[in-house]
Amino acid sequence: AQKITQTQPGMFVQEKEAVTLDCTYDTSDPSYGLFWYKQPSSGEMIFLIYQGSYDQQNATEGRYSLNFQKARKSANLVISASQLGDSAMYFCAMREGSGNTGKLIFGQGTTLQVKP
Amino acid sequence: DTAVSQTPKYLVTQMGNDKSIKCEQNLGHDTMYWYKQDSKKFLKIMFSYNNKELIINETVPNRFSPKSPDKAHLNLHINSLELGDSAVYFCASSQVLVSGANVLTFGAGSRLTVL
Repeated sequence: AQKITQTQPGMFVQEKEAVTLDCTYDTSDPSYGLFWYKQPSSGEMIFLIYQGSYDQQNATEGRYSLNFQKARKSANLVISASQLGDSAMYFCAMREGSGNTGKLIFGQGTTLQVKP
Repeated sequence: DTAVSQTPKYLVTQMGNDKSIKCEQNLGHDTMYWYKQDSKKFLKIMFSYNNKELIINETVPNRFSPKSPDKAHLNLHINSLELGDSAVYFCASSQVLVSGANVLTFGAGSRLTVL
């Protein structure tokens, strides 16, 4: 079974609007971490935001917020006020267990295109 | 002042050859990684070293041999290259933040093409 599922291969959003990128995960471990990374066309992987399984509040970083719904095992990324530079591939990833290793399990990715 | 730098950025070679990709980080992190991104953009961990010691070794063919001469360097050597080895190889390093997150900082990637 897939540990991380991103069901949207591609998304479009109008500039200045908000967009939600979906991510669901599967783990039986009570301790885990969820990450979002951005990969622009230039290829590098850029860390955006992190949510720990025990965190009470949803994580926010500037225009990025993580809509963490633990019971539904979802960790959707919300990008507010989209900019043209947000066009990229976005990956959701999970770290299982409390060992806090850097072993991340990645989803398939969602390609976001921001229209002017 | 690139944080995680890998060389070469592009590598085109013939099947059966041996090649190496080098990685260096100047962030002072203790842990380094190699991840592989295939043609479908799927990313998977290959290896991890903590302070020169191998701590993660996924089911990678033993043609792949990582080497960490010190905690700032993690090189990847690949013997007898096969067509299926064509991919983008990412080096990364990590530190644990105040939040408890072990955040990976990735290099720019090395695109390997095996002909």
